[in-house]
Order: sequence, then C-alpha cells, then structure tokens
Amino acid sequence: GENVEQHPSTLSVQEGDSAVIKCTYSDSASNYFPWYKQELGKGPQLIIDIRSNVGEKKDQRIAVTLNKTAKHFSLHITETQPEDSAVYFCAASTGNQFYFGTGTSLTVIP
Amino acid sequence: DTEVTQTPKHLVMGMTNKKSLKCEQHMGHRAMYWYKQKAKKPPELMFVYSYEKLSINESVPSRFSPECPNSSLLNLHLHALQPEDSALYLCASSLRDRSFEQYFGPGTRLTVT
Repeated sequence: GENVEQHPSTLSVQEGDSAVIKCTYSDSASNYFPWYKQELGKGPQLIIDIRSNVGEKKDQRIAVTLNKTAKHFSLHITETQPEDSAVYFCAASTGNQFYFGTGTSLTVIP
Repeated sequence: DTEVTQTPKHLVMGMTNKKSLKCEQHMGHRAMYWYKQKAKKPPELMFVYSYEKLSINESVPSRFSPECPNSSLLNLHLHALQPEDSALYLCASSLRDRSFEQYFGPGTRLTVT
C-alpha cells in the first residue's frame, strides 16, 4: 500500500518568513495530492491541491510543487502570518486509496 | 457553497448509551465519509458511502453503525462505546471518489465516560 511521509513534524517561523513542508509517497499510481490545514478544534480545510499532470500550482501566498520522478511534493507558504499557525496534512490519492501524511504543526511567531 | 455540517458539536456519553452523529451536505456530492481523529494524528477512515451505498468499512467495530438515508445525509449510530472511542469524528464529502476534493465538516468531539 501507499506510504506518505511528511516532514518536519513541527516547524516554527518568524512572521513574514517562508515555511516549507515536504511529503514523499511510494505508490506511483497516486495522481492527486491535496493539502489540508487544521486549526485547533476544527475540521481539516482543503487549502490547495495538485494533480500528477501539473508540476506547480500557486494560490496567493500558498504554492505546491510536485516531482513525480522523485515521488515528492511540497507546500510553500510565503510571508507567513500568525493565522497560518495550524497543523498541516499532506495526502496522496489513487482514487481508490487515500493516505494522509502524519502532519506538521506550524507556529508563526509574531 | 462548500459546507459540510455536523451535529452535535460535542457529545458526552456513557458506555451503555445509544447516540447518533449527523452530517449533511448540499453540494451534490455522491461520496460521503466518516473519519475518526485522535489528538495530534491524521484522520483515520472508518466508512465510505458511494451513491448512498456502503462501499468501504475499514474493519470498524460493530458498535459503530453508519447509515445514509439519502444523498445529502450521513449518520453514525453509536452504541456500547468504550473510553478509547473518545475522539473527534469527522464527516467529509467529495464529488464521486477520493480523487476529487474532499470537504470536511467541523467534527463532533465525542467523550465516552
């Protein structure tokens, strides 16, 4: 089955700096890679996703890159703000199978 | 509208109680999911309903019983739970399967005493 590894498990950055979270997957059949943000006491919120026919996608301060050959994908947050503090989960999906990464707790220090 | 609603927000129940969790979406999604999430862990899939039929049961104990009355509603019936079942229960939906965007509800925080 699929194995999704996510690093780092915790990340602290100064407000205004960039944050990068990396995930690797093992199943070459995975073709959909969403990222979720989960704030304390809330459900996961889809913030950006990418499909295997695209190498990069950007939405304002958030971007995701995908390297199919190396089987890894990354979330980039620029100009971080305190409200970006949350747990972030990556995921990989083949359609039939869906696997979450282990999560990254991001703290943005004002 | 990408909203999935869940009720109740919090639930405390004894081990002999029977209770139900409810989930609703009006996005026309035909796949709905129940997840269980423990603190500091990713969500764990429990059940998948596809076109109102149960398509995946991830070996969940029978004290959890899902029900999909129609394409917009999903229930999770709880009976004779154990303290280790205390967790955040999340409902999600997607257009067809998990190769489409999944939208999560806010969850029900369940405490079993």
